[in-house]
Amino acid sequence: GENVEQHPSTLSVQEGDSAVIKCTYSDSASNYFPWYKQELGKRPQLIIDIRSNVGEKKDQRIAVTLNKTAKHFSLHITETQPEDSAVYFCAASPLQGAQKLVFGQGTRLTINP
Amino acid sequence: NAGVMQNPRHLVRRRGQEARLRCSPMKGHSHVYWYRQLPEEGLKFMVYLQKENIIDESGMPKERFSAEFPKEGPSILRIQQVVRGDSAAYFCASSPVLALFTDTQYFGPGTRLTVL
Repeated sequence: GENVEQHPSTLSVQEGDSAVIKCTYSDSASNYFPWYKQELGKRPQLIIDIRSNVGEKKDQRIAVTLNKTAKHFSLHITETQPEDSAVYFCAASPLQGAQKLVFGQGTRLTINP
Repeated sequence: NAGVMQNPRHLVRRRGQEARLRCSPMKGHSHVYWYRQLPEEGLKFMVYLQKENIIDESGMPKERFSAEFPKEGPSILRIQQVVRGDSAAYFCASSPVLALFTDTQYFGPGTRLTVL
């Protein structure tokens, strides 16, 4: 079955700098890759997603890139702010349409003022 | 438009008791997924349901755990004879049916189960 690896497990950056989180997946049939942000004690919130027919997607300070050949995708956050501090999870959906998500282990991002 | 609703938000049970967790999907959604999150860990898929059907239960433990999504009412995740290892946050997510992208999942606030 699908396996998703996420790195790094913790990341600390200065406010205003960029943060990059990387994920690799094993199932070449996976075609949907969302990113969730989870603050302490809260629900995972979808922040951006990408499908396999697209190589890059941007939404203001957040961007995601996908390399299908290498089976990896990355989250880029620019001009980081203290409110970006949270745990970020990548996920992959192994089949078309509505299916389960396989999550990475999470990255704890800390933005230092 | 209310989001995914879960109740209770916190549940305390003693070993051997039963736990019932409820999930009401977003309006217009009829796909429901249950995930478990252990402390300091990621989310693990348990089960995927549509109304009156279990589509994929590959992540559900074979014993003590069951799930349903009846024609009327919320989806229920039931854990019988709870053990301390069941202590976790249980999240429900839902996704739409009649939409361009049926794979987008939105999460509820979770139920935090503590087994004493």
